[in-house]
Amino acid sequence: AQSVTQPDIHITVSEGASLELRCNYSYGATPYLFWYVQSPGQGLQLLLKYFSGDTLVQGIKGFEAEFKRSQSSFNLRKPSVHWSDAAEYFCAVGVSNDYKLSFGAGTTVTVRA
Amino acid sequence: EAQVTQNPRYLITVTGKKLTVTCSQNMNHEYMSWYRQDPGLGLRQIYYSMNVEVTDKGDVPEGYKVSRKEKRNFPLILESPSPNQTSLYFCASSFRDEQFFGPGTRLTVL
Repeated sequence: AQSVTQPDIHITVSEGASLELRCNYSYGATPYLFWYVQSPGQGLQLLLKYFSGDTLVQGIKGFEAEFKRSQSSFNLRKPSVHWSDAAEYFCAVGVSNDYKLSFGAGTTVTVRA
Repeated sequence: EAQVTQNPRYLITVTGKKLTVTCSQNMNHEYMSWYRQDPGLGLRQIYYSMNVEVTDKGDVPEGYKVSRKEKRNFPLILESPSPNQTSLYFCASSFRDEQFFGPGTRLTVL
């Protein structure tokens, strides 16, 4: 069964600084990979996804992620964070035609002024 | 507007009192699922449905039931809620491996 690990439970970053959130997965085949964001009291919003092709994926809100097969990783990055980026971020893994997603435990991002 | 809706958004109930959380999608998706979100555990799948009258257990199905009589609706039923079912619940529907989530239902069982 696939599993997803987000090693960082909580990250604090200064506004304007860069952000990188780590995600490692465990699965035999090439999975489908997703990053979701959950703002306080809100539902889940898809930031970006990787199915195949270019391993550097651009998403909404200025986020990008890079799929590295050799490291089984799909890390999320943003060059310059805004206070509105304070939220919880979830990495998720899926398998083609299975539809089920396995989620990581989430990383909470705090942005300080 | 394409969306997944859930009702109620917030619910406080007592142990043993049956409840239903409704989920509806207007995107004609065949696949729907329910997740619960708990701190430090992320989201875990409770049940899923591949199509009308086709449902199956996810990772944490104990204490829950579902039904899929119509394509658009996928209610989650707690026959006898217990405090360990206090959680944030999300319904999702899928198209081509991308899932669309509802706004969530925060359930508290006293």
